[in-house]
Amino acid sequence: NAGVTQTPKFQVLKTGQSMTLQCAQDMNHEYMSWYRQDPGMGLRLIHYSVGAGITDQGEVPNGYNVSRSTTEDFPLRLLSAAPSQTSVYFCASSSSQGAGELFFGEGSRLTVL
Amino acid sequence: KQEVTQIPAALSVPEGENLVLNCSFTDSAIYNLQWFRQDPGKGLTSLLLIQSSQREQTSGRLNASLDKSSGRSTLYIAASQPGDSATYLCAGAGSWGKLQFGAGTQVVVTP
Repeated sequence: NAGVTQTPKFQVLKTGQSMTLQCAQDMNHEYMSWYRQDPGMGLRLIHYSVGAGITDQGEVPNGYNVSRSTTEDFPLRLLSAAPSQTSVYFCASSSSQGAGELFFGEGSRLTVL
Repeated sequence: KQEVTQIPAALSVPEGENLVLNCSFTDSAIYNLQWFRQDPGKGLTSLLLIQSSQREQTSGRLNASLDKSSGRSTLYIAASQPGDSATYLCAGAGSWGKLQFGAGTQVVVTP
């Protein structure tokens, strides 16, 4: 059982480049979310989705886009990368928003030069 | 907005000692509280989930309590082992359903 799978694990970008972080879950979870983790700041919610076709902003959404065309996939797009987006990104899923156990992927470490 | 605090930021104990990790939250209308473990370079693994109607949850050597009136949750790890060394994070879900994470407590268990 794969759980939550994130790709890539590591990525280096130049300022202004765009890229997509992929996230897939095989647990048929309705709720999916993206967090970033920075030293001293804990985990902060970027975007989340409560089901296919439904997305909403979290605490730090600027510079990121998401879409949810299927229950399984929830990609995170960086439109024009900035050094401030250097971080570790985690995708997480749950059977329901805020009520169920949250399962995390292994993380994607992004460096923007 | 729910705010979650974990003190201390780091803790070192000798093997065999019981671990007590604290988590404070500001919104007593908490939906649930989860404890997670994070190993270096890895994602978070859920340890225990306490629903707002519960006072505690237990799994093996782990026990977590929830006191909504005082805004506190405590994670107890009995008879600590070097393999328990990790960062432990708590997260509270408010009435809006979004989780708010604490910054974590980094634990080192020395042999």
